[in-house]
Amino acid sequence: RKEVEQDPGPFNVPEGATVAFNCTYSNSASQSFFWYRQDCRKEPKLLMSVYSSGNEDGRFTAQLNRASQYISLLIRDSKLSDSATYLCVVNYLGGSYIPTFGRGTSLIVHP
Amino acid sequence: SQTIHQWPATLVQPVGSPLSLECTVEGTSNPNLYWYRQAAGRGLQLLFYSVGIGQISSEVPQNLSASRPQDRQFILSSKKLLLSDSGFYLCAWSVRRGGPGTDTQYFGPGTRLTVL
Repeated sequence: RKEVEQDPGPFNVPEGATVAFNCTYSNSASQSFFWYRQDCRKEPKLLMSVYSSGNEDGRFTAQLNRASQYISLLIRDSKLSDSATYLCVVNYLGGSYIPTFGRGTSLIVHP
Repeated sequence: SQTIHQWPATLVQPVGSPLSLECTVEGTSNPNLYWYRQAAGRGLQLLFYSVGIGQISSEVPQNLSASRPQDRQFILSSKKLLLSDSGFYLCAWSVRRGGPGTDTQYFGPGTRLTVL
């Protein structure tokens, strides 16, 4: 089975800190990539897609490294409200493009 | 805009009882539909997906089944629940945008199932 791996954390950081998560994938034929955010006892919500050239949305930056087969999420100027679990998702080419979720990385931002 | 509904929000069922969870999507046509389960402290496990009415693919063999009687309706069922069926059940939809592998998934609010 194709794997998507994430460090479960928790990453415990103070407000204002910069924090980065990585997510590795094993299938080199992977086609598309996403980061989701999941709050406790809630459904996952799309945070951002990850493009080959990298992309930024406010304090969030996502990068894709195909050669090393990982994606990353950088959060600058962390807020208390950023505390959540961050899930990476990899869609594989072929078949019905089934997404595979990582188990998530827990982030705790403290005052 | 598109919305996805799931019900019930929470459910407590005895072992051996049947199950029926429903998911509906509004504001889009011919979506891909998915059922996931998330056990406590675990990642999302894909259970079933559907690319059209009556088309169901199973990812994990178990005592659950899924059906898609209408374009925007997806139902998860079981004839006899097990303790291990407890978890957070999430329905999701997606529309192919840019070709293969570019589906973005959007999740419903989920059903929290406890089997006693």
